[in-house]
Amino acid sequence: EVQLVESGGGLVQPGGSLRLSCAASGFTFSSYWMSWVRQAPGKGLEWVANIKQDGSEKYYVDSVKGRFTISRDNAKNSLYLQMNSLRAEDTAVYYCARVEFLDYMDVWGKGTTVTVSS
Amino acid sequence: AIRMTQSPSSLSASTGDRVTITCRASQGISSYLAWYQQKPGKAPKLLIYAASTLQSGVPSRFSGSGSGTDFTLTISCLQSEDFATYYCQQYYSYPHTFGQGTKLEIK
Repeated sequence: EVQLVESGGGLVQPGGSLRLSCAASGFTFSSYWMSWVRQAPGKGLEWVANIKQDGSEKYYVDSVKGRFTISRDNAKNSLYLQMNSLRAEDTAVYYCARVEFLDYMDVWGKGTTVTVSS
Repeated sequence: AIRMTQSPSSLSASTGDRVTITCRASQGISSYLAWYQQKPGKAPKLLIYAASTLQSGVPSRFSGSGSGTDFTLTISCLQSEDFATYYCQQYYSYPHTFGQGTKLEIK
């Protein structure tokens, strides 16, 4: 079964850091671009970042550039999101998703919740 | 960034109705558009990609059309499980922006 499982969410103070992980199984992880998407409480979906199969290309939404870093470890079938200088507006459920070759997202994890608050 | 605007933002309908949701891009995106369904507390689910291609396993009552800047998602005969929020997303250029969502509610 194709599956993505996020972890690492929690409560963090403004200015703090958090690292999210996404464990992939049931498919050849190294063959796919991967993505992070977030959803603030009661709000819509926001694409956050994409990473190429070998990690050589990365793209970010402007609001997280310079603060968040997407990475992956193909040997561990894992995707990561390092989040630094966190702000209240980063509070959201963070989903990892598999990106199909045309760049749409066909498999999603259940999400992990990040709360930035003092 | 390309802005995606959905209409309506909310919609009330009854089981068996035919409903249409519209998504407009602020610039041309060819057919690089996907539609997702999200139910409360759940992850989004891919319904349609490339504007009109039905994802495997998605019921045929869902259909998509359009290209360029104007797109539609149609549900031909609403079922109880279709009441959810629907999002369009462009993947023509980064950032891959979503529409604000359309909440489909039971009348």
